[in-house]
Amino acid sequence: GENVEQHPSTLSVQEGDSAVIKCTYSDSASNYFPWYKQELGKGPQLIIDIRSNVGEKKDQRIAVTLNKTAKHFSLHITETQPEDSAVYFCAVLNTGGFKTIFGAGTRLFVKA
Amino acid sequence: GAVVSQHPSRVICKSGTSVKIECRSLDFQATTMFWYRQFPKQSLMLMATSNEGSKATYEQGVEKDKFLINHASLTLSTLTVTSAHPEDSSFYICSAATGGAGYGYTFGSGTRLTVV
Repeated sequence: GENVEQHPSTLSVQEGDSAVIKCTYSDSASNYFPWYKQELGKGPQLIIDIRSNVGEKKDQRIAVTLNKTAKHFSLHITETQPEDSAVYFCAVLNTGGFKTIFGAGTRLFVKA
Repeated sequence: GAVVSQHPSRVICKSGTSVKIECRSLDFQATTMFWYRQFPKQSLMLMATSNEGSKATYEQGVEKDKFLINHASLTLSTLTVTSAHPEDSSFYICSAATGGAGYGYTFGSGTRLTVV
């Protein structure tokens, strides 16, 4: 089955710096790659996603890049703010059904 | 945008009792809903997939008799933890998808279950 690896597990940056989180996956048939932000005690919220026919997508300070050949994708947050502090999960859609396979998560700390 | 309402947000129950968690899609019809369990500082673990009008599909290792899932309508799925024990204490989260390719999942806000 699909295996998703996410790095780093913890990331601490200074306010205003950029943060990059990377994920790799194993199933070359996967074709949907969302990123979720989860704040303490809450459910995950979709922040950006990318489909396999696109190499990059940007939404204000957030961008995602996808390399299907290498089977990895990354989340880029620029000009980080303290409210960006949360746990971020990458995910991959299992094209054999509707299952979403999650990475282990990255705890991002943005220091003011 | 799509909203999934999950209730209750927190529940404390005694060992041996059952607890029901509701997941509602408020402004769309969800043919498929998913139930996840999340332990502290860990990722989401898929427990089961429920499809409206049919039996849920459980992931390996998840006891279907303990975690009863009902998806009786296109807007409501429920998870009942039967004969709860302290080890069932966890954060339970539902998500919903519309029909089709499975894009566009929306998550509920989660339920913190504590069994004492």
